[in-house]
Amino acid sequence: AQSVAQPEDQVNVAEGNPLTVKCTYSVSGNPYLFWYVQYPNRGLQFLLKYITGDNLVKGSYGFEAEFNKSQTSFHLKKPSALVSDSALYFCAVRATDTGRRALTFGSGTRLQVQP
Amino acid sequence: DAGVIQSPRHEVTEMGQEVTLRCKPISGHNSLFWYRQTMMRGLELLIYFNNNVPIDDSGMPEDRFSAKMPNASFSTLKIQPSEPRDSAVYFCASTLGVGTGELFFGEGSRLTVL
Repeated sequence: AQSVAQPEDQVNVAEGNPLTVKCTYSVSGNPYLFWYVQYPNRGLQFLLKYITGDNLVKGSYGFEAEFNKSQTSFHLKKPSALVSDSALYFCAVRATDTGRRALTFGSGTRLQVQP
Repeated sequence: DAGVIQSPRHEVTEMGQEVTLRCKPISGHNSLFWYRQTMMRGLELLIYFNNNVPIDDSGMPEDRFSAKMPNASFSTLKIQPSEPRDSAVYFCASTLGVGTGELFFGEGSRLTVL
């Protein structure tokens, strides 16, 4: 079985400050890891993914994430937050050693960036 | 390039009625997924298809739910009879290839069962 934990329901940060949204995962074998963002009344939008290679992955809108295999983590980061980054963020995982293509999502973390 | 298209965007119905949600995946994508989003349970996978064949329907709540994919460009999720606890946002997503790619989501269908 595969699972994702996002330990924070909400993260508050001031505009211009760095932000981190935490994610840990559990999967048999090696993971494929993803971050998505959801704005109100919209579908999920892909931000970035880790498949293999460099542990630091860069994605859309200045976001990046660091894969840490020993800590089974894939935290989302941005050096300088914008008010427009305020949204719901989901981490997702799937195992590489199965044919199952579906992603398992975390419970989501609401990011609130204050002006 | 058109994304995943879902209809209707909003549906309000009464308990006991049949509900049909529709999805058109991105052209060329060969895997299609139905997810349900609620405040209490988050995003849950209901079922997914690969090359129009259902692969995993273990997330389908009960026999009241059924899904079909008659061809590569269309899928339906049907609830019959509907119940208030089915109220949720239902998302369709598609992807291409061997599974390393991201899922592309539609805008969702918000279902309210009174």
